[in-house]
Amino acid sequence: GENVEQHPSTLSVQEGDSAVIKCTYSDSASNYFPWYKQELGKGPQLIIDIRSNVGEKKDQRIAVTLNKTAKHFSLHITETQPEDSAVYFCAAKKGSGGSNYKLTFGKGTLLTVNP
Amino acid sequence: GAVVSQHPSWVICKSGTSVKIECRSLDFQATTMFWYRQFPKQSLMLMATSNEGSKATYEQGVEKDKFLINHASLTLSTLTVTSAHPEDSSFYICSPFEVAKNNEQFFGPGTRLTVL
Repeated sequence: GENVEQHPSTLSVQEGDSAVIKCTYSDSASNYFPWYKQELGKGPQLIIDIRSNVGEKKDQRIAVTLNKTAKHFSLHITETQPEDSAVYFCAAKKGSGGSNYKLTFGKGTLLTVNP
Repeated sequence: GAVVSQHPSWVICKSGTSVKIECRSLDFQATTMFWYRQFPKQSLMLMATSNEGSKATYEQGVEKDKFLINHASLTLSTLTVTSAHPEDSSFYICSPFEVAKNNEQFFGPGTRLTVL
């Protein structure tokens, strides 16, 4: 089955700096890669996703890059703010849809943005 | 995005009792419902997948008689933890899914279960 590795497990940055979280996946059939932000005591919130036919996607301060050949994808947060502090999860899924294909999650990265 | 609600948001119960958790998708019809469990400082673990009107499919190691899932409608699914024990204490999160949502998967706010 699919295996997703996520690094680093913790990341501490100064406000205004950039943060990068990296994930690798094992199943070359995976074609959907979402990123979730989870604040303490809350459910995961989808913040950005990318599909295998795209190499990069950007939404304001957040960007995701995908390298299909190397089977890795990364989350980039620029101009970090204290409210970006949370646990971030990457995930991978194959298939064009349907419940037969399940999300496989990384183990998460605790991001702390220091004021 | 999608609007998903869970009730209750937290519950404390005595060992041996049963607890029911409700999950509602408020702005779309979910043909599929995923139920996850999350222990402190860990990732999400898929417990089971259910399709509306069908029996749930459980992941390996998850007891189907202990975690009863009902997905009777496209907007409501319930997870019942039967005869709860302290080791069942966890954060339970539902994730309604609809193919028409472009493969995006959204999550509920979670239910914190504490079994004494």
